[in-house]
Amino acid sequence: QKEVEQDPGPLSVPEGAIVSLNCTYSNSAFQYFMWYRQYSRKGPELLMYTYSSGNKEDGRFTAQVDKSSKYISLFIRDSQPSDSATYLCAMNYNQGGKLIFGQGTELSVKP
Amino acid sequence: GAVVSQHPSWVICKSGTSVKIECRSLDFQATTMFWYRQFPKQSLMLMATSNEGSKATYEQGVEKDKFLINHASLTLSTLTVTSAHPEDSSFYICSADEAEAGRQPQHFGDGTRLSIL
Repeated sequence: QKEVEQDPGPLSVPEGAIVSLNCTYSNSAFQYFMWYRQYSRKGPELLMYTYSSGNKEDGRFTAQVDKSSKYISLFIRDSQPSDSATYLCAMNYNQGGKLIFGQGTELSVKP
Repeated sequence: GAVVSQHPSWVICKSGTSVKIECRSLDFQATTMFWYRQFPKQSLMLMATSNEGSKATYEQGVEKDKFLINHASLTLSTLTVTSAHPEDSSFYICSADEAEAGRQPQHFGDGTRLSIL
């Protein structure tokens, strides 16, 4: 079993839809949780960063962490074609430690 | 925001040659840099952790004599793929942690596409 599980998709939605992306993990020691967006042939770009459980909102993006369920989510409101990319969840045990990545979910937002 | 620059972005070379990839933190000092490899439609696979002034720590299964890492300063780490072969063709990405305690998370470069003929 992988430490971090993420549905690879692909996920296709119409423009304006609410997108829900999720990851589950097995190790309760993870404390820091991140979502990265990666466009084709580019490096990952940090979208959201949260510590422990709770919600964090930044514009159209909301990240949720439920440590009791070992489940994290990223919601994208009013999705745009420019949101089409691969979304990677990542987590680690401590600041500065190596990241454990999910497989990535490929998202396509159709005009 | 923090910026990590990676160079070159794309390189094509003949089998048997060595290729050097540079990773620079442009507006912060990076005590630690990470080198990843990514195959198409797959996630990032950590190859090694590069620490300024000391030897790199390689992940299991990564040949340290094949993938030479040097982290000579707080803003520069290099990955050299020695005697490259077609199976080394991949997308290589670096990331950097800010040196200041409590600053996170990792910032990524835009990757280097390596094609070995």
